[in-house]
This record gives sequence, structure tokens and C-alpha cells, in this order.
Amino acid sequence: TQLLEQSPQFLSIQEGENLTVYCNSSSVFSSLQWYRQEPGEGPVLLVTVVTGGEVKKLKRLTFQFGDARKDSSLHITAAQPGDTGLYLCAGAGRDNFNKFYFGSGTKLNVKP
Amino acid sequence: EPEVTQTPSHQVTQMGQEVILRCVPISNHLYFYWYRQILGQKVEFLVSFYNNEISEKSEIFDDQFSVERPDGSNFTLKIRSTKLEDSAMYFCASSPGGHMNTEAFFGQGTRLTVV
Repeated sequence: TQLLEQSPQFLSIQEGENLTVYCNSSSVFSSLQWYRQEPGEGPVLLVTVVTGGEVKKLKRLTFQFGDARKDSSLHITAAQPGDTGLYLCAGAGRDNFNKFYFGSGTKLNVKP
Repeated sequence: EPEVTQTPSHQVTQMGQEVILRCVPISNHLYFYWYRQILGQKVEFLVSFYNNEISEKSEIFDDQFSVERPDGSNFTLKIRSTKLEDSAMYFCASSPGGHMNTEAFFGQGTRLTVV
């Protein structure tokens, strides 16, 4: 099993602040996905990063894959209440890239 | 935009009863998955399915669980004799597979409540 640890587990911030969520492992992944999940709904794919050191931007969200493909970060600039939700990282296995391992999630609350 | 659909959205069943959760994966995808998420806990892998057979399963996926692709579109998860601890959100996912940057797309989930 390839474990992914996310930190922090919970984050409560004011609208307009910046934040970073981390996803770490001792294992190498073929790729890494970030999902956002709202209560009672399924995870919605935000981005996939594949190459070590890759940076992808999605409006105010910046995703980075570590050089060694073992970790990733999600940075949100000027957070808004609409960003509230559970952020999940999921890594595709190194030996079986058709299997996805999920982190425990970061619950973000952005207060107006 | 193509999406994974799951039915029912909510299922209440008595302990010991059999339940079947249904999923329609994205049509050109080759890999299908079931995950579950107990309330407040992480998303856990149950099983993956490819080429009409199970390709991998977790220790959670014991003899009480089975999956089937009965026709060209549906993918089902059956729990033979439900236990209280089976109460969770069950998510179906599919992916095109076959390459390193393959991505999994999830359905909205079925909330299973065992009473």
C-alpha cells in the first residue's frame, strides 16, 4: 500500500487569505490528482500532475508535484467562501497506475 | 460532459439483507472502481475491475462483496449480507486507463444506511 498523508487536516481562514495544503508520501507515484468534495457528493477532479516538478494553475489554485514525485501541494490565493470543501489528493500507483490511493483529506472552511 | 452516474442516491436496508448498488461508468472508459467513505473518514479503495474481471481488491472487499458488469453499460456492487459497519457512502469511479496520467472520475455516490 502506498500511503498519502495530508496536512493540515482542518483549516479555517478568513476570505482573502492565502493557504497551502500538503500531500506527502514516502512512495513514488505515477501521477497525482487533486479532488474537491462537497458534503454528500462525490469527489470532483481538479487537476492531474504527472511530471516531477510540474506546476499547474487553475485560476487562483496552484498545484505542484514534487521533483521526486512523492509529494504535492495545493496553494490557494485570496481564498473565497466558495472554496470551502474537502480537498483530497490521490496518487496513481507507481507499479499499477490504474490504482488510486487517497489521502485523508483537508477540510477547508473559508469564512466571509 | 460525460459523467459517472450512480443509483440509488440513498439506500436504507436492514442488517442481513442483500443490497445492489448500481453505476453507469463513462462509456469509453476501461477501468471501473468502487470506493467507500465512512462518515468523516477517508476514501477507501474497495475494488478495481478491468476486462470483465477483478484486477485488484482491498482487504475490505471480503466474500460478502461482489462486482459485476452484467451488460455493456452497468457496473454493480453487491453486498450479500449487510452489517451495520457497511453504512457508508459508496462511490463508483471509472478511468480510461492505459497510460500514466490516467484520471479517475467519480459518481455522486450512494449513501448506504444499514439499520
